[in-house]
Amino acid sequence: EPEVTQTPSHQVTQMGQEVILRCVPISNHLYFYWYRQILGQKVEFLVSFYNNEISEKSEIFDDQFSVERPDGSNFTLKIRSTKLEDSAMYFCASNLAGELYNEQFFGPGTRLTVL
Amino acid sequence: AQRVTQPEKLLSVFKGAPVELKCNYSYSGSPELFWYVQYSRQRLQLLLRHISRESIKGFTADLNKGETSFHLKKPFAQEEDSAMYYCALRDSSASKIIFGSGTRLSIRP
Repeated sequence: EPEVTQTPSHQVTQMGQEVILRCVPISNHLYFYWYRQILGQKVEFLVSFYNNEISEKSEIFDDQFSVERPDGSNFTLKIRSTKLEDSAMYFCASNLAGELYNEQFFGPGTRLTVL
Repeated sequence: AQRVTQPEKLLSVFKGAPVELKCNYSYSGSPELFWYVQYSRQRLQLLLRHISRESIKGFTADLNKGETSFHLKKPFAQEEDSAMYYCALRDSSASKIIFGSGTRLSIRP
C-alpha cells in the first residue's frame, strides 16, 4: 500500500540555522499539507499546497517558512532561521483531491530539535 | 471559531470494559468529523469518519449535531486499543484538518 514518507526522522539543528524537511507524498495525490505538533500540544495545520502554490496557510506559517515541490515528487518545508520554539514533530500529509470525503494520508513525521 | 475539544487527556480502563472517548466541536457549518488513531511509534491513521457510519475495530462514533458531539465508543476494550486518539474536523469548503488535543487510551489487562 502506498505511503507518505518523510526524511529525516529526526533533525537536530542550532538556533538560527536553516532546515529543510522532506516529504514524498503518495504519487497520484494532488493536495499536500504540513502540520506540526509541539510536544504535549495538539496537531496544528501549517500550510496546504496545490497546483504549485500555497492554497491556505495558518498564522504560524510566517515569513520564516516556505514550501516547495521542486521535482514533482518531493514536497519540502524550509525554515530559514530556526527558533527554539520551532522544536516539534512535523507531519506531511497528502490527498487525492481537496474535497470532502477524500482521506488525508499522513507521513510518520520528522522530529525537529532546535538547540 | 472552529474548535475541537477532547476533555480527557488520559483514559484508563480495564480490558473488556466499555470505552467512550469524548469529543465536542464548534463549527458554524457542516463539517466532516473524524477520529484518527496513533499507535506507539506509528503514524497518524484514520480510524473512522462520520459519513461512513461503519464500525472499525469495534469502534463506532455517532455525530450528534444538537450537542455538537462525536464521541467514540467501543463496548469491550482490548489491550491493542491502547493508543492516542484524536478527534478532528474538516471544513466543508477547505481541506485542512483541525485536530483536538488528543486522548491517550490505556487498556489495563
